[in-house]
Amino acid sequence: NAGVTQTPKFQVLKTGQSMTLQCAQDMNHNSMYWYRQDPGMGLRLIYYSASEGTTDKGEVPNGYNVSRLNKREFSLRLESAAPSQTSVYFCASSEAGWGKLNQPQHFGDGTRLSIL
Amino acid sequence: AQTVTQSQPEMSVQEAETVTLSCTYDTSENNYYLFWYKQPPSRQMILVIRQEAYKQQNATENRFSVNFQKAAKSFSLKISDSQLGDTAMYFCAFMNNAGNMLTFGGGTRLMVKP
Repeated sequence: NAGVTQTPKFQVLKTGQSMTLQCAQDMNHNSMYWYRQDPGMGLRLIYYSASEGTTDKGEVPNGYNVSRLNKREFSLRLESAAPSQTSVYFCASSEAGWGKLNQPQHFGDGTRLSIL
Repeated sequence: AQTVTQSQPEMSVQEAETVTLSCTYDTSENNYYLFWYKQPPSRQMILVIRQEAYKQQNATENRFSVNFQKAAKSFSLKISDSQLGDTAMYFCAFMNNAGNMLTFGGGTRLMVKP
């Protein structure tokens, strides 16, 4: 089972470059999420999508944009990368939706992004 | 906004012994959900156990159990018969009643020693 697939796994960018991180899930989940994890810290929510066609800001949305392309795919875009965005990025999905609460999130393997 | 605090940055335990990881949280909500996730060196995030706030009974999953104290806003994880494969970062997480926001603590690095 593929679960949640993130591409790429590693990327190095120069300050000011743009980049899109891809995420796809094959579990027919309603909700998808993007997190960042900085060294020694827990994950922080950047954006989430409760259903196809909707997106909402999380705790740390500045500098990012997202697109819920369809039910399977949820991409994260850095328009002008900054060194402060160096982090490990995780995509997740869950069955959470109308009438379905308390659904655990399933995570991808992460993308390690370095911005020089 | 909710906050989740894990006061133990690092812990170690001998193989086969029991260890308890602490977690406290702050919220004004009455209904919510709590999770423990494990992150081994492979970096995957693996769900260990979950607890609904409206359930008084503590959740258990094989060697993993929780001590949920709602009034104290405490949610500790007990690992019994520790195994070398339990070596990982452990994150406590809070999910709001709407089920769309998961807030993580800073993590506890657990080392199981042979």
